[in-house]
Amino acid sequence: LAKTTQPISMDSYEGQEVNITCSHNNIATNDYITWYQQFPSQGPRFIIQGYKTKVTNEVASLFIPADRKSSTLSLPRVSLSDTAVYYCLVGYQKVTFGTGTKLQVIP
Amino acid sequence: DSGVTQTPKHLITATGQRVTLRCSPRSGDLSVYWYQQSLDQGLQFLIQYYNGEERAKGNILERFSAQQFPDLHSELNLSSLELGDSALYFCASSVAGGDSGNTIYFGEGSWLTVV
Repeated sequence: LAKTTQPISMDSYEGQEVNITCSHNNIATNDYITWYQQFPSQGPRFIIQGYKTKVTNEVASLFIPADRKSSTLSLPRVSLSDTAVYYCLVGYQKVTFGTGTKLQVIP
Repeated sequence: DSGVTQTPKHLITATGQRVTLRCSPRSGDLSVYWYQQSLDQGLQFLIQYYNGEERAKGNILERFSAQQFPDLHSELNLSSLELGDSALYFCASSVAGGDSGNTIYFGEGSWLTVV
């Protein structure tokens, strides 16, 4: 399983765009990149998944450069309700979640 | 609602006791995963089953065991409970067992408090 590195925490003001970058230098050829969101005392929730280039859904965008050694989750115009922990997962065996990035949205 | 159902939602028990947590995966999902999350800690992967067979093992203690039944529901058995076992236990499910592009869906968790 490719090891991932992401910032431990981030702060952002409401209405701003937030970009969280995840490094995964040893990503394998067939590995997908998946992001989850977790609120306190709740199960993680799937946000977005991609393999290369850019993926966008109603919640977020995922940018993946050509070398795929990193990825960036972009949350447009965050609100207080986006305060959560965001996990980046790469590959699939054992589905190991790291410590994630704790995003605090400030009014 | 993810479609993954866990029972019970809350459980309080004494040290040394044994409990069973139950999970019903989403309809059509063959894989079930168990995770443990202690207070302010990350998600610790415990074990995965795929169509009744153990597929992957994480940091699961010997006092813990799990199984997946023919109807695909799963149970996590925790025995000789210690105070440190107090945590939120999540079950998750996915369609397949090992594909990287496979999305995992989590239940709301079972809160276990050992006193």
